[in-house]
Amino acid sequence: DAGVTQSPTHLIKTRGQHVTLRCSPISGHKSVSWYQQVLGQGPQFIFQYYEKEERGRGNFPDRFSARQFPNYSSELNVNALLLGDSALYLCASTLTFTDTQYFGPGTRLTVL
Amino acid sequence: DQQVKQNSPSLSVQEGRISILNCDYTNSMFDYFLWYKKYPAEGPTFLISISSIKDKNEDGRFTVFLNKSAKHLSLHIVPSQPGDSAVYFCAASARGPSYGGSQGNLIFGKGTKLSVKP
Repeated sequence: DAGVTQSPTHLIKTRGQHVTLRCSPISGHKSVSWYQQVLGQGPQFIFQYYEKEERGRGNFPDRFSARQFPNYSSELNVNALLLGDSALYLCASTLTFTDTQYFGPGTRLTVL
Repeated sequence: DQQVKQNSPSLSVQEGRISILNCDYTNSMFDYFLWYKKYPAEGPTFLISISSIKDKNEDGRFTVFLNKSAKHLSLHIVPSQPGDSAVYFCAASARGPSYGGSQGNLIFGKGTKLSVKP
């Protein structure tokens, strides 16, 4: 069975640009969460979506937004990129309200 | 303010011996704890979890111990193998008694890099 998939694998942007990251959950999983991991830190929660509705939001500015589609895939959008947005962006999928989150390989974003 | 702390950035262990990774937390609302393993250029891989109603959970070579009074948990790997070399993250969540809380809000520690030497 396919695990969580994310695209693209790597991305290079310049300050002020906009970026869209994509995630497909494990088949049958209806919840997707997004995390940001900067070097030397653990992943930090950004959003959770379940059944296309936002169910949780971490301490990130409004430049960060996300949505979930009817097929449960998800997009994370970041506007007005800053150098500090350079990080590994991880997507995790969860079967409805169970506790184990399964992570994808991540998208490495570099902002120059 | 870090709610989940892994105070040892690194740990080196000989193959075949026990590896013990430690994690402390401050939020008494946490009721579910997980350990993930992460290799470079990969996403975290789920290892083992424990609910606050238990004090021990075992899965093969991996055992997690929870001491609620001390707000401390540990991951034991016995015997350690070179393939276990990775960064290990402790994570916690506050599900609430009805499990209606946000399942997405995992709080992670900074990780401990385990090196298992042959």
